[in-house]
This record gives sequence, C-alpha cells and structure tokens, in this order.
Amino acid sequence: AQSVTQLGSHVSVSEGALVLLRCNYSSSVPPYLFWYVQYPNQGLQLLLKYTSAATLVKGINGFEAEFKKSETSFHLTKPSAHMSDAAEYFCAVSGRGGANNLFFGTGTRLTVIP
Amino acid sequence: ETGVTQTPRHLVMGMTNKKSLKCEQHLGHNAMYWYKQSAKKPLELMFVYNFKEQTENNSVPSRFSPECPNSSHLFLHLHTLQPEDSALYLCASSQAGAEGSDTQYFGPGTRLTVL
Repeated sequence: AQSVTQLGSHVSVSEGALVLLRCNYSSSVPPYLFWYVQYPNQGLQLLLKYTSAATLVKGINGFEAEFKKSETSFHLTKPSAHMSDAAEYFCAVSGRGGANNLFFGTGTRLTVIP
Repeated sequence: ETGVTQTPRHLVMGMTNKKSLKCEQHLGHNAMYWYKQSAKKPLELMFVYNFKEQTENNSVPSRFSPECPNSSHLFLHLHTLQPEDSALYLCASSQAGAEGSDTQYFGPGTRLTVL
C-alpha cells in the first residue's frame, strides 16, 4: 500500500524567499513520486516526478525535489518564490510493478507575500 | 482542443435529478480516470479504465456510474446523489494504466453542487 503525508496545509513565504513544501511517503514497494500544482479553477498540472533515474529531480517553473530513501521524503523546493507560484501543491505516490494508481496527499496551499 | 477537457464546468442538481459529466482527452492516451476532490481531503480515485475496460472501482457507491465508450471519452452518470457528493470531479488520462510512472494529465474539473 502507498500513502503520502504533506506537512503543513498552508505555507506562506515572501516573494524572493526559499519555498520548501514537505512530503513524506509510505510504500511497500519502491515508489514513483510526483508533485502536482493546482491553480484556482484549474485541474492539476505535473511539476516533476521521480522514477529512480536521479534522486534530484528538476521540474518546471524552477522547482526541484530530492528523493531521500532513508528519510522517506520527497520535499519540493524553489530558491526564490514568485507571486505566480501561489497555488495548491499536491504530492502523490504510486508503486512500481503495479497499476498507475496515484495516492495523493491533502495538499499544501502556498501563499506568496509581496 | 488540446489536453483533457471536461463539461460542464459547473453543475447544480437536486437529489432526484439524473445528470452526466463528460471528459474527453486529445492526447492519444489509453487510460482514463475519475477522481473526487473534496475540501481538506486527499484526491480520491474513483474509477480507472484501460483500453475501455474498467480496471478499478474504488468502492464507489452505485449512484455513480461510469461509461467509457472509447479511449478518448469518459462519462460519469449521476443519479440520486447526496449533498455530501458535492465536490470537484476531475478526469485524467495517461498513456497506459499498467505502469506506475506514467504521468496523468488532468482536466479542469466539474464543480458539482447537490442541493
């Protein structure tokens, strides 16, 4: 079985500051891990995904995430927040060798303060 | 049109009504999904179709009835819903449903309100 926990339902950062959104996963098999972003009144858009090639994954819009097996974590970071980054972010996990069923966290709403 | 489209974008219905949600993907994918997004809860996978065959029913009540006539279209038929069914219903598609690394592409969702 797979699950993810996102710590912090709301995160606020100042424009230009570091963005750090936390995700811890649980998986009985080696995981695939994803970060999606949802802007108001829109569906989810993939930011990046980990599929075991490299532990540091770079995504769109300057975001990146690092897979740390020892910590069962896949935290999302961006060095400098932009106003356009304000959105809801979802971490998700699926399992290797199984169906493409994603298990999502409850989401973290990011607010960027000018 | 490109990507994944959903209609209608908003729907208000009474508990005795029958309505349908439509999803269409223009990506040439073979797997399609229905998710339910409620406030303060994780996205819930409802149904999965691979090559038009239903491969997952996540214990969804029978008042929700999916239909997948071909790999590009997915419907969710609704009847005798309850107010707690009010949510954002998201459709997604992926290249195939057999590998966990496939990226799922989401539509904008249908905001459903049950009175």
